[in-house]
Amino acid sequence: DIQMTQSPSTLSASVGDRVTITCRASQSINSWLAWYQQKPGKAPKLLIYKASTLENGVPSRFSGSGSGTEFALTISSLQPDDFATYYCQQYNTYSPGGTYTFGQGTKLEI
Amino acid sequence: QITLKESGPTLVKPTQTLTLTCTFSGFSLSTSVVGVGWIRQPPGKALEWLALIHWNDDKRYSPSLKSRLSITKDTSKNQVVLTMTNMDPVDTATYYCTHMTALRGFDYWGQGTLVTVSS
Repeated sequence: DIQMTQSPSTLSASVGDRVTITCRASQSINSWLAWYQQKPGKAPKLLIYKASTLENGVPSRFSGSGSGTEFALTISSLQPDDFATYYCQQYNTYSPGGTYTFGQGTKLEI
Repeated sequence: QITLKESGPTLVKPTQTLTLTCTFSGFSLSTSVVGVGWIRQPPGKALEWLALIHWNDDKRYSPSLKSRLSITKDTSKNQVVLTMTNMDPVDTATYYCTHMTALRGFDYWGQGTLVTVSS
């Protein structure tokens, strides 16, 4: 069973800052990693898939990197709309019996 | 346009079985490398993946909840049903269903449904 560990749990930042959230898998997941943004009372929204591919309509200030077990989500210049909770998730569908574990989340606050 | 909507009871008693239905449109669950998953989120806590069913009826379950979960699909009705047995107050959460592709992961989500477990 693959475990996903995000850090930090909470991140305080200001508008215009560059921030990075990291996610570590307990074993290699190649690039089968997604990042989601969730705002209070709303369903999560897909931001990045396959570790570094930006979902359609997501601003280019978001970027993802990494492979294997170490991954990162970077927001290059924080905007007011970016203050939310972010989750990573591994999703290796092609792995027999594989699961779809989420990280514990990172709350990005002002 | 892909949409998903969860339906089911808002209140269940401890030890009861929860049955949730995901009704979707805009895709077919008979299409290759497509799946429908269930995720839950207790109030103020993190997302937890529960189960997923693939287009080929391959079923995956969270190891920690596997003994209590069952997921099935009805392709003709565009529905996926999740059952969870022996409900407990700690299972109080918003339950989401999602569309999944092998490439993009969980790319479309339902609005979620809050299920409260209480006597």
